[in-house]
Amino acid sequence: QQPVQSPQAVILREGEDAVINCSSSKALYSVHWYRQKHGEAPVFLMILLKGGEQKGHEKISASFNEKKQQSSLYLTASQLSYSGTYFCGSNFNKFYFGSGTKLNVKP
Amino acid sequence: GAVVSQHPSRVICKSGTSVKIECRSLDFQATTMFWYRQFPKKSLMLMATSNEGSKATYEQGVEKDKFLINHASLTLSTLTVTSAHPEDSSFYICSARGGLGVGSHLYTFGSGTRLTVV
Repeated sequence: QQPVQSPQAVILREGEDAVINCSSSKALYSVHWYRQKHGEAPVFLMILLKGGEQKGHEKISASFNEKKQQSSLYLTASQLSYSGTYFCGSNFNKFYFGSGTKLNVKP
Repeated sequence: GAVVSQHPSRVICKSGTSVKIECRSLDFQATTMFWYRQFPKKSLMLMATSNEGSKATYEQGVEKDKFLINHASLTLSTLTVTSAHPEDSSFYICSARGGLGVGSHLYTFGSGTRLTVV
């Protein structure tokens, strides 16, 4: 029931772009994205409810495919503050986090 | 917005003792709360679902006699780690699904509890 994320880790230079993928073997009711800094609670980024949905702003956005089994998080022109571990999550009456993607943005 | 308060933020206990962690929804009623555990460099793993006024439901592999969950009111759930051992050292975090409408899809997380068993 835990979604699978890829890549597991990515290193970027400031200003570079990244894509984080989240996949499930079953259709998701919704997909949530969180960012967690070391030793802190995860921080909510966004939720997508509908197949085919895209949302967010220029810098951080996400998509949810039509079958609702795959979501991607897009980080554009990354900043140092984007560093952290990103989790997607699925909601089947319970909330399961994905496997996580560690993002390290370097100067 | 919805706020979930979790205490304590850090606790150190001796092996064999019990530790209680509290999770409170401050401005909304949470009939269901969730407890997670996170080991270093790992994802947050769902341990159990806490239901107000009824028994908690535990995920496979989680010992219900070791991790006691009580959800006595609509705003408070507690997790007690009984007879703690060093391998129970971890980051524990609760969440609550809140509100009506769009809010019912959102999960608000507590700030987490760093448990160290020595």
